Amino acid sequence: DTAVSQTPKYLVTQMGNDKSIKCEQNLGHDTMYWYKQDSKKFLKIMFSYNNKELIINETVPNRFSPKSPDKAHLNLHINSLELGDSAVYFCASSQKRQGPYEQYFGPGTRLTVT
Amino acid sequence: ELKVEQNPLFLSMQEGKNYTIYCNYSTTSDRLYWYRQDPGKSLESLFVLLSNGAVKQEGRLMASLDTKARLSTLHITAAVHDLSATYFCAVDGRDDKIIFGKGTRLHILP
Repeated sequence: DTAVSQTPKYLVTQMGNDKSIKCEQNLGHDTMYWYKQDSKKFLKIMFSYNNKELIINETVPNRFSPKSPDKAHLNLHINSLELGDSAVYFCASSQKRQGPYEQYFGPGTRLTVT
Repeated sequence: ELKVEQNPLFLSMQEGKNYTIYCNYSTTSDRLYWYRQDPGKSLESLFVLLSNGAVKQEGRLMASLDTKARLSTLHITAAVHDLSATYFCAVDGRDDKIIFGKGTRLHILP
C-alpha cells in the first residue's frame, strides 16, 4: 500500500508546454504539500493545502497552480514550462491537527524541460 | 524570516567513528524534523522533536533539540556504511511554512 503516490515518475517535455503532476495520499492526512528540489538538492516548499484550502502560497511563478479536488489529492499544473522548471517535484502529506506532524513524501516526479 | 542552517554540508567519515550534524534556526519554533534521503530516492522521516530538551534515538542515530539555543543535533554513533545518505533538518515556522536546511551529505567509508 503506497501512502503517498505521484504520477508520472518521469516527465520530459519541451519549453512552452503545459503539464500536470498528480498526487494522492491514503493516510487520511489533513494537509498536503508540493516541494521543488533543484539540482543542488535544495528543497523549497511551493504550496500547502489544509482540508482543501490553500494555506501557504510561496512566491512561485503563477504558471504553477495547485488544484485539490478533495483532501486526498493535490495536483500541480504548470503552464508555459521553462528550462528553469527542470527539477524533482515532491508531494507530501502530514497530519497537522493533533499530530504526529511529520511529512510523508511521495516518490518524486523528475521533470526535464528541453 | 525563518532561516535554517545545517553544518557541515558534506561529511566523509570512517566506519566506526562518531560524528554530529548541527542544525541552527533563526526564529522560535515548536517543531523540528530530521529526514533522510538516499540518492535518487524520496525523503524518509527519521525524527520529530516537539519540545525543549527532546531526545530521540533510533539505532545509531540520536537527535536532540534545544529550543533556547535554536539548535538541534543529529548524532551518529559507530557509523556504518548503510548510513550513507543526505540528512535534512526542517523547521516548522509560525506561519505554517516548513523550511528545510540545505542538507548534509554523509559518506561513510568502509
